[in-house]
Amino acid sequence: GESVGLHLPTLSVQEGDNSIINCAYSNSASDYFIWYKQESGKGPQFIIDIRSNMDKRQGQRVTVLLNKTVKHLSLQIAATQPGDSAVYFCAETSYGNNRLAFGKGNQVVVIP
Amino acid sequence: KAGVTQTPRYLIKTRGQQVTLSCSPISGHRSVSWYQQTPGQGLQFLFEYFSETQRNKGNFPGRFSGRQFSNSRSEMNVSTLELGDSALYLCASSLDSGQETQYFGPGTRLLVL
Repeated sequence: GESVGLHLPTLSVQEGDNSIINCAYSNSASDYFIWYKQESGKGPQFIIDIRSNMDKRQGQRVTVLLNKTVKHLSLQIAATQPGDSAVYFCAETSYGNNRLAFGKGNQVVVIP
Repeated sequence: KAGVTQTPRYLIKTRGQQVTLSCSPISGHRSVSWYQQTPGQGLQFLFEYFSETQRNKGNFPGRFSGRQFSNSRSEMNVSTLELGDSALYLCASSLDSGQETQYFGPGTRLLVL
């Protein structure tokens, strides 16, 4: 991915296992959160989002958990597949604002 | 629907030159945002355009500018290029300017020599 730079946190996971990616966000006023996946040579791809009036949201094989008390966001991927290998970014923004603030990214490597 | 498209995909320029990048949003999307991605700084917001008006601006120098046309297509311009402007420039579109999901294009890779 494009943000594979210095000291990008890396999660190595066996194919078929579950993955958990964590993100600490910075702005307590943020109320909309998004997870993106970026594969090498591509732009970020939307995975799932959550608003601050929820603490959990599920999609296809993915679940996002939001803990506003400690400003923490996580992405759970069930039954991780080789195609899940990518860099994952969390992003935050506040109401009425399209300006996304991105986290540094987490590299996920799926071991076949 | 076709996704967000960006042209050109790759570009090589020399210091001091200027460059214009183009973005066509998803059909029906009126908001276009631009981001710069580098290994050191990650993804950083440049600016957002909605209905041909700049609605939000990030912390970049005035050398970085943009505009949006009536068909929602957008361009960004970087003047007096510096080596540090080498980056992947990403465009994202959304339905409007109010926290709708943003969809990204593949980016334009700019290398400044």
